[in-house]
Amino acid sequence: KNQVEQSPQSLIILEGKNCTLQCNYTVSPFSNLRWYKQDTGRGPVSLTIMTFSENTKSNGRYTATLDADTKQSSLHITASQLSDSASYICVVSPWWTYKYIFGTGTRLKVLA
Amino acid sequence: DTGVSQNPRHKITKRGQNVTFRCDPISEHNRLYWYRQTLGQGPEFLTYFQNEAQLEKSRLLSDRFSAERPKGSFSTLEIQRTEQGDSAMYLCASSLAVPPRDTEAFFGQGTRLTVV
Repeated sequence: KNQVEQSPQSLIILEGKNCTLQCNYTVSPFSNLRWYKQDTGRGPVSLTIMTFSENTKSNGRYTATLDADTKQSSLHITASQLSDSASYICVVSPWWTYKYIFGTGTRLKVLA
Repeated sequence: DTGVSQNPRHKITKRGQNVTFRCDPISEHNRLYWYRQTLGQGPEFLTYFQNEAQLEKSRLLSDRFSAERPKGSFSTLEIQRTEQGDSAMYLCASSLAVPPRDTEAFFGQGTRLTVV
């Protein structure tokens, strides 16, 4: 069982619409939770970083939330653009190690 | 370009050959990571360095894999006797760790390895 699971696996939305991606994790305790955007064939790019004590973090049209009690995080994208088409990956850093544990990602496709 | 640089971007090799990849991190970053990513999956941790010290290795890193960071700057990842299952994107990332905080990790563009 993956320690970081994401849903949905893939999502198609129309340009201008909002969407929310989910991340459930079992890693505990953890030091921080990150969301990355990865375009096809490129390296991941950081969108948000939250420590275990933070509940929300925004970066432009991206807003991440964290509920450490239920071990859930979400990434909300508002007013989607064609350039938002990418994979969005949830990443958790365990407290006891400096490595990152990646989820399998949600592939988002924004259509005109 | 002051980001993380990886070379080559693409590598096609015959099964059984050795390959070596290079990663140049952001210059002041003391922590360097190697990850492997197969199609449709998230990156999987391979190993990481704090300066020149290799502090953790994944069980994915068989004895055919070796990574070095000799002077605490660039790093190399070598795969000996490549197998078709080694075909993947190999990602390098770096960060600046100032305990107790670890800054954002910046990833390179990756090296895509195809073993034929």
